[in-house]
Amino acid sequence: DTGVSQDPRHKITKRGQNVTFRCDPISEHNRLYWYRQTLGQGPEFLTYFQNEAQLEKSRLLSDRFSAERPKGSFSTLEIQRTEQGDSAMYLCASTTLGTDTQYFGPGTRLTVL
Amino acid sequence: TQLLEQSPQFLSIQEGENLTVYCNSSSVFSSLQWYRQEPGEGPVLLVTVVTGGEVKKLKRLTFQFGDARKDSSLHITAAQPGDTGLYLCAGVGGAGGTSYGKLTFGQGTILTVHP
Repeated sequence: DTGVSQDPRHKITKRGQNVTFRCDPISEHNRLYWYRQTLGQGPEFLTYFQNEAQLEKSRLLSDRFSAERPKGSFSTLEIQRTEQGDSAMYLCASTTLGTDTQYFGPGTRLTVL
Repeated sequence: TQLLEQSPQFLSIQEGENLTVYCNSSSVFSSLQWYRQEPGEGPVLLVTVVTGGEVKKLKRLTFQFGDARKDSSLHITAAQPGDTGLYLCAGVGGAGGTSYGKLTFGQGTILTVHP
């Protein structure tokens, strides 16, 4: 068990570019969450997967954002046509059914210039 | 819109002092959690409180859950520089106790403990 991993840890991009982040949850964790955290704030929920099914999306997840978990293991979060307001830390967490303990990855810090 | 209000937002104290952080919600969640987050890392769970009036202790940290399950506090005794970090409270499940275990976080309290 190596914990939740995220890649890349840092991403700097220019406005208008597309970016994709990857999250590898703890193996056999069937629940996966994405959160976004801006400086000085707590994380905000973006979306939730149970196995490969995306069961909930926040209104924060505009049509420029898309998330997938094709085989119920790793997940990707893509942001198209990035804007400066997308600059934030993107956190992934995983857990199993029957427990409320979420294990967070180290996050991907996105900077949009 | 954050449904959980934490106070204070910033706390700067000397080693050995005691402190309390408060978390208040306008809604009831299925449970409430406290996390600690260090710069460049994800939050790490400290405790989960479920029952109104519950008190949990973790070494020098004491967590209380209000009787109405809408407010909580974190008390640290004899703070140490290693306690420095961002402390977050989070409601589990949507407000009103709905689905999927998602977390609703407060804005956090940045604690700095000076040697």
